[in-house]
Amino acid sequence: DTAVSQTPKYLVTQMGNDKSIKCEQNLGHDTMYWYKQDSKKFLKIMFSYNNKELIINETVPNRFSPKSPDKAHLNLHINSLELGDSAVYFCASSQDASRLAKNIQYFGAGTRLSVL
Amino acid sequence: SQQGEEDPQALSIQEGENATMNCSYKTSINNLQWYRQNSGRGLVHLILIRSNEREKHSGRLRVTLDTSKKSSSLLITASRAADTASYFCATNAGGTSYGKLTFGQGTILTVHP
Repeated sequence: DTAVSQTPKYLVTQMGNDKSIKCEQNLGHDTMYWYKQDSKKFLKIMFSYNNKELIINETVPNRFSPKSPDKAHLNLHINSLELGDSAVYFCASSQDASRLAKNIQYFGAGTRLSVL
Repeated sequence: SQQGEEDPQALSIQEGENATMNCSYKTSINNLQWYRQNSGRGLVHLILIRSNEREKHSGRLRVTLDTSKKSSSLLITASRAADTASYFCATNAGGTSYGKLTFGQGTILTVHP
């Protein structure tokens, strides 16, 4: 069974479109994250939710909106896509971000977004 | 600027050799973690070392942490072709940062059979 799964794996779209990426974890974790990995492999956190509550919100354009319907799901919606949004987006989860010893993160396989 | 910076950026060795990767960071940390990323895949956690620990082992992996120098190293002994991947260090500052991990840009390790 896949622990952290995200869909789709690949997403090719035109500038200006709106798209969503979905993420689900079956590990029973309380905390979920979205990361962006650029072409140089630099991985930067975007958002984090703990039990459906937003706890980390980095400097990200407000075109990006995360939504957590329950603690097992964290989706990412992107409005008005731009060329610079092209990257690989990773979802991750950890047992409980407030307990740092339990903050080992489990990553999904990534969604490669290409904006044309 | 980045919190974690790995050195070297790329490392190419023969199977059986040891591989050493270094990571430097700028701010105080609660813990430091190492992750591996195979090409086209997500990151996989390897080892976590707390700020009050100096060395940790896990199988063929050995991690050291020097908080006075704000640096860590990952040693992979007796490397195998399957160890070919990118390796990232990530720091957690603790406190109100919750689970936020700040990643370096990684070291690309290639192990030739």
